[in-house]
Amino acid sequence: AQSVTQPDIHITVSEGASLELRCNYSYGATPYLFWYVQSPGQGLQLLLKYFSGDTLVQGIKGFEAEFKRSQSSFNLRKPSVHWSDAAEYFCAVTYSGGGADGLTFGKGTHLIIQP
Amino acid sequence: KAGVTQTPRYLIKTRGQQVTLSCSPISGHRSVSWYQQTPGQGLQFLFEYFSETQRNKGNFPGRFSGRQFSNSRSEMNVSTLELGDSALYLCASSLAGRVGQPQHFGDGTRLSIL
Repeated sequence: AQSVTQPDIHITVSEGASLELRCNYSYGATPYLFWYVQSPGQGLQLLLKYFSGDTLVQGIKGFEAEFKRSQSSFNLRKPSVHWSDAAEYFCAVTYSGGGADGLTFGKGTHLIIQP
Repeated sequence: KAGVTQTPRYLIKTRGQQVTLSCSPISGHRSVSWYQQTPGQGLQFLFEYFSETQRNKGNFPGRFSGRQFSNSRSEMNVSTLELGDSALYLCASSLAGRVGQPQHFGDGTRLSIL
């Protein structure tokens, strides 16, 4: 069964500092990878997605992620965080195989921004 | 363009009751998926509907069911509610439901079981 691991439950970063959130997925022939963000009391907003091609993908709000097949990783990065980035971040995966299989999510990483 | 709309936003029920949640997808989107979010289990896939047919189902008991109407709106029903059904239920829509197509989420329905 497909799975996603986000090793860090909580991460605290100072405002203006760089950020990297880790994500590892179980092996699959052609993974489709996503990062979502969830603010309290709200649904999930798509930050970026990777299907194929360039392994460095750009998303909204200044986020980027790098796909590394050899490490089964899809880490999310941001050069300089803002207080408004405080939220829960979820990595998700699905695989090719026909139809729209549900996304498998990681447990999430709670990002805290220090002033 | 309006986003995914879920109603109601909050619900309080008691054990043994049943509940129906509603989801209106983004205009033009034909695929609707449902997820359950709890602190312990995280986000879990319930089922996906496309053109009024359930195409995929997660690992949930038969008490959880759904349907989709011809206008792509979807409802989810939970019968014989248990305390463990307390969760945020999220609906997501995508254009044609092909693998890898981004899913756009609503703000969810918060269900509390007393």
